[in-house]
Amino acid sequence: EVQLLESGGGLVQPGGSLRLSCQAGGFIFSNYALSWVRHTPMRGLEWVSAIGADGKTHYPDSMRGRVTVSRDISRNMFYLQMNSLRADDTAVYYCAKEGPPPFFDYWGQGVLVTVSS
Amino acid sequence: EVVLTQSPGTLSLSAGEGATLSCRASQSVPNNYLAWYQKRPGQAPRLLIHDASSRATGIPDRFSGSGSATDFTLTISRLDPEDSALYYCHQYGIAPHAFGRGTKLEIK
Repeated sequence: EVQLLESGGGLVQPGGSLRLSCQAGGFIFSNYALSWVRHTPMRGLEWVSAIGADGKTHYPDSMRGRVTVSRDISRNMFYLQMNSLRADDTAVYYCAKEGPPPFFDYWGQGVLVTVSS
Repeated sequence: EVVLTQSPGTLSLSAGEGATLSCRASQSVPNNYLAWYQKRPGQAPRLLIHDASSRATGIPDRFSGSGSATDFTLTISRLDPEDSALYYCHQYGIAPHAFGRGTKLEIK
């Protein structure tokens, strides 16, 4: 059974940094791409970043330069480093496994990030 | 960048009725790489449909997807109160991933 478990969320001040982690299990970690997707009531779902099965990283223009995605294959861990956080980064962040094709077939339970002073 | 427009914004229907949710893309989606997700409050999104019309594992046949190119539809028959949720479409045919803004389905 595929399992994705996020951690590392919390309250951070504007301009601060945070690293989210995702523990994966139940599938061959190195064979699949993983993404971070966030959700807010106002903006809905937004794709934040991805790391491919080949280790290449991908970002939307809106996130490029502020977030870095990485993985540790030996530990089945997936990470999101977020810097220069702003109030509008407040959201529930999910890690999600991709197909192929790259639809999101499994999701973690999510972790709340609140950016506020 | 593909922009997905979902309509209606909110749909209010009675249990037992059918629902039709629309997703229109700003350009043709290659291979009809379009998915639908259900998002209930406090829960993770759940994949319902991928590749425009393929039902995900464990999804009841009350949920069906159709469409191609720029126009896609999610149809839910025999609505149940537990179908109350947000529904999002997602295109993964052209980078970057893009989601619609969602349709809120309320069951009266």
